[in-house]
Amino acid sequence: DAGVIQSPRHEVTEMGQEVTLRCKPISGHNSLFWYRQTMMRGLELLIYFNNNVPIDDSGMPEDRFSAKMPNASFSTLKIQPSEPRDSAVYFCASTRTTSGDTQYFGPGTRLTVL
Amino acid sequence: RKEVEQDPGPFNVPEGATVAFNCTYSNSASQSFFWYRQDCRKEPKLLMSVYSSGNEDGRFTAQLNRASQYISLLIRDSKLSDSATYLCVVSRSSTLGRLYFGRGTQLTVWP
Repeated sequence: DAGVIQSPRHEVTEMGQEVTLRCKPISGHNSLFWYRQTMMRGLELLIYFNNNVPIDDSGMPEDRFSAKMPNASFSTLKIQPSEPRDSAVYFCASTRTTSGDTQYFGPGTRLTVL
Repeated sequence: RKEVEQDPGPFNVPEGATVAFNCTYSNSASQSFFWYRQDCRKEPKLLMSVYSSGNEDGRFTAQLNRASQYISLLIRDSKLSDSATYLCVVSRSSTLGRLYFGRGTQLTVWP
């Protein structure tokens, strides 16, 4: 069974450019999470969806960040315009929302904004 | 106050040593408890769940004290391959699978 799939695995872009990160959750999972991880701030939850509906986006840093989940098998996180301080590893994770179910992480996208 | 607090370490121990990690959580509504492991430049992965009665998985023992809102992880007979960051994690039944992560404790086991 395939795990959480993220693309691209690495992204290098210049300040001001639009960046789109993609995630395919595990089939049958109904909650999806976007995280950002940096050395300074650790693992931060940006937004999460349940049954394709955004539940909590309070972790999204600012209006430059947006996320969508058009169907149960696909989600995007977009940064427009990107800034150097957005450089981080972005993880997507999914789970079934029964109490105690494991959250499975994708391999992450390592974003560098120059 | 952060939802989950951990000693960041680093812990540097020789092979064969016993090492213990602790964490505290702030929300008494927390229902489920976990330890995740994250290797360098990899994603976090579930190491083990933590049950009220305490539980063991090989060399790893997890304990939960609900009254003190305290979770621990004990690693016996440390191996080089145990070197990683260990994340203390809690969840609440009301938040649709959302997990609250500590900052992690870094462990290095040396030969």
